Amino acid sequence: EPEVTQTPSHQVTQMGQEVILRCVPISNHLYFYWYRQILGQKVEFLVSFYNNEISEKSEIFDDQFSVERPDGSNFTLKIRSTKLEDSAMYFCASRTSGQTYEQYFGPGTRLTVT
Amino acid sequence: AQSVAQPEDQVNVAEGNPLTVKCTYSVSGNPYLFWYVQYPNRGLQFLLKYITGDNLVKGSYGFEAEFNKSQTSFHLKKPSALVSDSALYFCAVREWASGGSYIPTFGRGTSLIVHP
Repeated sequence: EPEVTQTPSHQVTQMGQEVILRCVPISNHLYFYWYRQILGQKVEFLVSFYNNEISEKSEIFDDQFSVERPDGSNFTLKIRSTKLEDSAMYFCASRTSGQTYEQYFGPGTRLTVT
Repeated sequence: AQSVAQPEDQVNVAEGNPLTVKCTYSVSGNPYLFWYVQYPNRGLQFLLKYITGDNLVKGSYGFEAEFNKSQTSFHLKKPSALVSDSALYFCAVREWASGGSYIPTFGRGTSLIVHP
């Protein structure tokens, strides 16, 4: 069964550094998402991406964040100048077209900012 | 605006007993409702969804959920719990409205612990 993959599984970075989290969505999916989950808290939406542009973003997704689909398979989340409060699990998700279709999530990248 | 509530942080049940994980929602129009499960160090896995039609929805691993429009609830159930069902369960809602957001809102999650 196809699945969403994410790399790395764990990223440790120093405050102020830039990180890039990578995702490979399911190949025939058209909608891509990033979520984060701070330890013990709810899953929070960051951004959705369709047709090579951002379709929606939350208040969390400020100028510190950016997304890119550099080729036909990868979907990346860049966090510039990381802060301690960026420490969280970051999940990538994708879905096919149609409003009723569920999202499929990757295993997540645990980001630790020290 | 759409929102979802999972009133229980943790549910404890003995193996073999029925389990219920509660979820209530709020939307302006009609809801799309989802249940996901998260095992330790894993991403969210889709369990089941309600779009329209029968109020009782059957999903993966023997789970089912009942949509109750009058109570705005979508409780997750299983007739006989397994120890391997122990995980974090998330309810999510998305409003069914053209031109609206297609982003689901997730609940805080309920930790299900099944005791041998």
